[in-house]
Amino acid sequence: QSALTQPASVSGSPGQSITISCTGTSSDVGAYNFVSWYQQHPGKAPKLMIYDVSNRPSGVSNRFSGSKSGNTASLTISGLQAEDEADYYCSSYTTSSTFLFGTGTMVTVL
Amino acid sequence: QVHLQESGPGLVKPSETLSLTCAVSGASIGSYYWSWIRQPPGNGLEWIGYMYHTGNPNYNPSLSYNPSLKSRVTMSIDTSKNQFSLNLTSVTAADTAVYHCARSSTWTLRPDLWGQGTPVTVSS
Repeated sequence: QSALTQPASVSGSPGQSITISCTGTSSDVGAYNFVSWYQQHPGKAPKLMIYDVSNRPSGVSNRFSGSKSGNTASLTISGLQAEDEADYYCSSYTTSSTFLFGTGTMVTVL
Repeated sequence: QVHLQESGPGLVKPSETLSLTCAVSGASIGSYYWSWIRQPPGNGLEWIGYMYHTGNPNYNPSLSYNPSLKSRVTMSIDTSKNQFSLNLTSVTAADTAVYHCARSSTWTLRPDLWGQGTPVTVSS
């Protein structure tokens, strides 16, 4: 099982929208609708932002949205804000009953 | 409020055994799935494995640069102490990382609550 593939970095200006991709295989991302996304600020524990492809936990801004097509999932941040600058990780349950993280994407707000 | 607190030695010598504990407060450890996740310096998250209070642990069959991890790792749950543990034998510098315990409310293992993490350095 290799890590899910994400772009190393994505950047955008305040107010813009950005999208982070997460590519897996038919054994993980493509197998189920069990993709989740985490936000991690430096020195902090990851925070769940999206679960089951497109659901937001209570308290997470509706500027964060998720989707999936085939073996690729996506996280979109709209109305980009300075506080969104962080690392983002996708993750997925797998057909081996294990769990897999993505390689991580650094989001920079210009 | 549920709180997870990892504890460990901080510094471990090569070839020794690393033992970490995750103390759970505010929730019964028997009601959730529990994972260990680590993050090497400057790198991404690596899922080590999980267990439920019944049944056997399930470990990541391969990690990015340490495929023998599965043979070195042991997880356990102590319901009487409401804590979750990780033992990792024969450590090397490649095991240097921040180790997090995490809770999942579902069988899909999605962590919905994380501990702050405990840093572990393997060095002589």
